[in-house]
Amino acid sequence: DQQVKQNSPSLSVQEGRISILNCDYTNSMFDYFLWYKKYPAEGPTFLISISSIKDKNEDGRFTVFLNKSAKHLSLHIVPSQPGDSAVYFCAASFGNEKLTFGTGTRLTIIP
Amino acid sequence: KAGVTQTPRYLIKTRGQQVTLSCSPISGHRSVSWYQQTPGQGLQFLFEYFSETQRNKGNFPGRFSGRQFSNSRSEMNVSTLELGDSALYLCASSLVAGGSYNEQFFGPGTRLTVL
Repeated sequence: DQQVKQNSPSLSVQEGRISILNCDYTNSMFDYFLWYKKYPAEGPTFLISISSIKDKNEDGRFTVFLNKSAKHLSLHIVPSQPGDSAVYFCAASFGNEKLTFGTGTRLTIIP
Repeated sequence: KAGVTQTPRYLIKTRGQQVTLSCSPISGHRSVSWYQQTPGQGLQFLFEYFSETQRNKGNFPGRFSGRQFSNSRSEMNVSTLELGDSALYLCASSLVAGGSYNEQFFGPGTRLTVL
């Protein structure tokens, strides 16, 4: 049972435009959400997180939006840069439970 | 500060063999989690150790086991390897246990190929 879903395996965006990556979850207990970025031959690195008490969190070019009623979160990257080309994983957790990851979206920024 | 290290980086085994992977967490981190990454499946949680105790376990068969030592280093073992065990195995360390409000730092992974 995939509790965290990323329905788009890949996404291509032109440099300078906005990249929007989506993630849906089914477990209403989740109260903490994260995005990780992964380059080939490297482990994932933490990008940004959001608590369920918020609906938006920004960090530079990265903004995460959380819609609890729809059980949906999204990551916006503005403007997109070539170095943003990577696989992005969303993840969720609650309490002291483990992180549950999505299947990932491969983002390609076209120069 | 040194990051999470995993050894070996690459491994080739044949079906039926067993394998041990090692993970050294960031100094001061007491929690180590293991994940399996395969194409289309994302990161599947294997288990989490904190202060030498297994705290959480994922839905993997008993062939997958792990342990943590007093210096927080961790090993995972896979016995009777199957072709489907071919994957990237990632280790992550964190200060405390659990996923909430607790950033996990990942190592580069061990790429296991089972022939």
